[in-house]
Amino acid sequence: QKEVEQDPGPLSVPEGAIVSLNCTYSNSAFQYFMWYRQYSRKGPELLMYTYSSGNKEDGRFTAQVDKSSKYISLFIRDSQPSDSATYLCAMSFGQGGKLIFGQGTELSVKP
Amino acid sequence: GAVVSQHPSWVICKSGTSVKIECRSLDFQATTMFWYRQFPKQSLMLMATSNEGSKATYEQGVEKDKFLINHASLTLSTLTVTSAHPEDSSFYICSALLGSSGHYEQYFGPGTRLTVT
Repeated sequence: QKEVEQDPGPLSVPEGAIVSLNCTYSNSAFQYFMWYRQYSRKGPELLMYTYSSGNKEDGRFTAQVDKSSKYISLFIRDSQPSDSATYLCAMSFGQGGKLIFGQGTELSVKP
Repeated sequence: GAVVSQHPSWVICKSGTSVKIECRSLDFQATTMFWYRQFPKQSLMLMATSNEGSKATYEQGVEKDKFLINHASLTLSTLTVTSAHPEDSSFYICSALLGSSGHYEQYFGPGTRLTVT
């Protein structure tokens, strides 16, 4: 069993839709949870960062962490074609520690 | 913002040769850098953690004699793939760790695509 599981998609939605991306994990020791966006042939860029359980909102993006269920989510409201990318969840045990990534979900937002 | 560069962005080499990839933090100093490998449509897999002035820490299953890492300064880490083979063809991405006010973040480079023929 992989430490972090993520549905690779691809996921295709119309412009303006609400997108829900999810990851599950097996190790309850993870404390820090991140979502990265990666455009084709580019390095990942950090979108959201959450410590422990709870919600965090930044503009059109909302990250949720449910440690009791070992489940994290990223919601994108009013999705735009420019949101088309691969979204990777990542987790770490401590600040500045190594990141364990999910497989990434390929998202396509159609105009 | 914090910027990390990689050079080259892509490289093609023949089987048996060695290739060096550079990772630079352009506007900050990084004591710690990380090297990842990403196969098509797969996740980033950590290969090693590079600490300035000391030996790199390799993840299980990564051959340290094949993937040589040197972190000689606070802004530069290099990954050398020695005696490359076609199965080493991949996308190699580095990141540099920046910490301030108790918050740490890895900033990623744009990646280097290696093709071994």
